[in-house]
Amino acid sequence: DVKVTQSSRYLVKRTGEKVFLECVQDMDHENMFWYRQDPGLGLRLIYFSYDVKMKEKGDIPEGYSVSREKKERFSLILESASTNQTSMYLCASSLSNNYEQYFGPGTRLTVT
Amino acid sequence: RKEVEQDPGPFNVPEGATVAFNCTYSNSASQSFFWYRQDCRKEPKLLMSVYSSGNEDGRFTAQLNRASQYISLLIRDSKLSDSATYLCVVNNRDDKIIFGKGTRLHILP
Repeated sequence: DVKVTQSSRYLVKRTGEKVFLECVQDMDHENMFWYRQDPGLGLRLIYFSYDVKMKEKGDIPEGYSVSREKKERFSLILESASTNQTSMYLCASSLSNNYEQYFGPGTRLTVT
Repeated sequence: RKEVEQDPGPFNVPEGATVAFNCTYSNSASQSFFWYRQDCRKEPKLLMSVYSSGNEDGRFTAQLNRASQYISLLIRDSKLSDSATYLCVVNNRDDKIIFGKGTRLHILP
């Protein structure tokens, strides 16, 4: 059974703080993804990675960076959090392209 | 035309009824298709893949119509527990993965 875990379920940060969101998968998946989900906007892809140390920008990468030093771990970094980054952040992994994605439980981030 | 479109709903359906909804996609080169289910305040979970020949899993049937560029999901004998948001997902040939915004389904007792 695939398991994707995220470091926090709920997080409250102040404007300007640096925020780290971590995601770990235990199924040796090649691809990992970070999304944010907002009411009325659906899931939007921030960044994805198809291999260690590789990353690709998604649809809304501005204000975010990522790190993938190990295959099982994909981190999302908000260099200087802003209130418009308040959202639900979802991590996902997949075996490779054209395979289904498995999601973590999400981190609900509030920036005040 | 949006890359992936779904009727947002909500679809309010009495328990036991059959309900169907579609998802249209704009890229004719799209390669793989999925339906996900998302419960309120939870993560999306894979419901079923959609194969060219169509596929069925219990009360759920998924179909692909390449000519008209849409996929469909049919739920028979609906249960209260089927209430959720259903997301369609399309993978394009250039490996771009696109989620629809979802269709909300409410099963009424």
